[in-house]
Amino acid sequence: GAVVSQHPSWVICKSGTSVKIECRSLDFQATTMFWYRQFPKKSLMLMATSNEGSKATYEQGVEKDKFLINHASLTLSTLTVTSAHPEDSSFYICSASGTAVGNEQFFGPGTRLTVL
Amino acid sequence: GENVEQHPSTLSVQEGDSAVIKCTYSDSASNYFPWYKQELGKRPQLIIDIRSNVGEKKDQRIAVTLNKTAKHFSLHITETQPEDSAVYFCAASKGGNEKLTFGTGTRLTIIP
Repeated sequence: GAVVSQHPSWVICKSGTSVKIECRSLDFQATTMFWYRQFPKKSLMLMATSNEGSKATYEQGVEKDKFLINHASLTLSTLTVTSAHPEDSSFYICSASGTAVGNEQFFGPGTRLTVL
Repeated sequence: GENVEQHPSTLSVQEGDSAVIKCTYSDSASNYFPWYKQELGKRPQLIIDIRSNVGEKKDQRIAVTLNKTAKHFSLHITETQPEDSAVYFCAASKGGNEKLTFGTGTRLTIIP
């Protein structure tokens, strides 16, 4: 199957700082990338959908000014958590999809964010 | 929007027995139903999927059934093994590059 990477795999930061998470499709062009958030023992909650070259579409209740998403190329999307607070601590997972992979979503390994 | 419900939330099965997990969805426009297996701290892995033009699909010990009229679909695992222990999520989407709506998950434990 197609490969999606995320970086970093984990990050610890102080409250008030910003954190950037990268999601890359390594062997296919991803026209669409999705960002999910997963709390312990909970399901994946979609935060936003991003299409290459256009603004992300955020799910209801997700603050677009706090979770900045950029999808500048067909292989890279970034999620920036601005002014992070302890309640932003979570497991963030991206997925990538494209016609080259039959529009199946391939998931990244996730990034565990801990805000102190 | 789409709402996906999943039952049970936890399931313990004796090794070698079968496990069944059920999901219902609300949006009749949904036509793609994947199932994912997620181990602790890892990414979800697609194990099987079904599209709305098919009623059943099987891949070795894993099968999925879909009832479009009733808007429910089920995952069946036969001859369970300890390595089947994980959290399983169902999901639904309208296909293409449309977003997935996930169920709440089922923690499956296989008892040796």
